[in-house]
Amino acid sequence: KQEVTQIPAALSVPEGENLVLNCSFTDSAIYNLQWFRQDPGKGLTSLLLIQSSQREQTSGRLNASLDKSSGRSTLYIAASQPGDSATYLCAVRDNYGQNFVFGPGTRLSVLP
Amino acid sequence: EAQVTQNPRYLITVTGKKLTVTCSQNMNHEYMSWYRQDPGLGLRQIYYSMNVEVTDKGDVPEGYKVSRKEKRNFPLILESPSPNQTSLYFCASSSNRATNEKLFFGSGTQLSVL
Repeated sequence: KQEVTQIPAALSVPEGENLVLNCSFTDSAIYNLQWFRQDPGKGLTSLLLIQSSQREQTSGRLNASLDKSSGRSTLYIAASQPGDSATYLCAVRDNYGQNFVFGPGTRLSVLP
Repeated sequence: EAQVTQNPRYLITVTGKKLTVTCSQNMNHEYMSWYRQDPGLGLRQIYYSMNVEVTDKGDVPEGYKVSRKEKRNFPLILESPSPNQTSLYFCASSSNRATNEKLFFGSGTQLSVL
């Protein structure tokens, strides 16, 4: 059964810093991997999707990489801002049932 | 506008009173799913559907029912709600047809069972 973990569970950084969030998954047979952002009490918003055949995706200050063979993905946030404060979750879509499995999330606080 | 619509946004009910939370998507997606989110437990999948008339249990299906009679709708039914079903619920949808199709979420339903 696919399992997804995220490190760290929480992170607090001063504004302007570059930071990396980590996601690991146990079964490399994935369809794709997505990174989401969730604000308190709100729904999840997809930030980046990496297909299984891709190595990375970029959107603005965000860059996500995927190393399928080692079961890892990273989300890099450049020049962090207080508005980036949120919980970030990764999810893999598996090749078998094509179901989605979520990690527990990393709670990010960017201090002014 | 492409969206997943859940209703109601907030719901307060009493133990044992049947309720339905509706979910509708306008993107012609095959895949739909229900999650509950509780502090410290993260997102847990309740049920999912790969297509019309096809539903499967997720990690926490006890006490819930779903149906998928039409492609766009995927209601969540609590036949006899209990206080331990107090939670924030999310519906989501995606296509099965391409590897680059994202998962779209509704805004959530905050349920309180007294």
